[in-house]
Amino acid sequence: AQSVTQLGSHVSVSEGALVLLRCNYSSSVPPYLFWYVQYPNQGLQLLLKYTSAATLVKGINGFEAEFKKSETSFHLTKPSAHMSDAAEYFCAVSSGAGSYQLTFGKGTKLSVIP
Amino acid sequence: EAGVAQSPRYKIIEKRQSVAFWCNPISGHATLYWYQQILGQGPKLLIQFQNNGVVDDSQLPKDRFSAERLKGVDSTLKIQPAKLEDSAVYLCASSPRGGSETTEAFFGQGTRLTVV
Repeated sequence: AQSVTQLGSHVSVSEGALVLLRCNYSSSVPPYLFWYVQYPNQGLQLLLKYTSAATLVKGINGFEAEFKKSETSFHLTKPSAHMSDAAEYFCAVSSGAGSYQLTFGKGTKLSVIP
Repeated sequence: EAGVAQSPRYKIIEKRQSVAFWCNPISGHATLYWYQQILGQGPKLLIQFQNNGVVDDSQLPKDRFSAERLKGVDSTLKIQPAKLEDSAVYLCASSPRGGSETTEAFFGQGTRLTVV
């Protein structure tokens, strides 16, 4: 069984500040891990994914995440927040390598303060 | 490349009525997923199809929910009868057969269902 815990349902940062969204996972098999972004009234868009290759994964819009097996974490970061980053972010784990049957966290809503 | 298409975008029904949602995946994608996203929560998988066969429907409330994917292309999710707690966004996603480092699942914009 898999599960995902996202710490903080709501995070606020100032424009230009570091963005850090936390995600911890539990998986009985080597996981694929994902971060998705959801803008209001939109579907989910993939930001980045970890698939057992490099532990530091770079995604779109300047986001990156680091897979830390010892900490079972996959935190999302961006050095400098932009107003357009305001959205809801979901961390997800797959049911097994090569699968896109996903278990999602509850999401973190990111607000960017001008 | 056209994305995953869903319709309708919004639907309001009374409890005990029935409703159906439609999804057309990206052309050539063998795998199709339906997720339920209740307000304030992450999406939850309801059912996964591989071509026109069901891979996993363990979280589908089968007493009221049904889904089909005739001919292995578009899919329909039905709720009959609807309950208040079915109010949610229903997301459809598709991916190429299997999964690998070079593939991903693509999501549609969803259907927002309100049961009153």
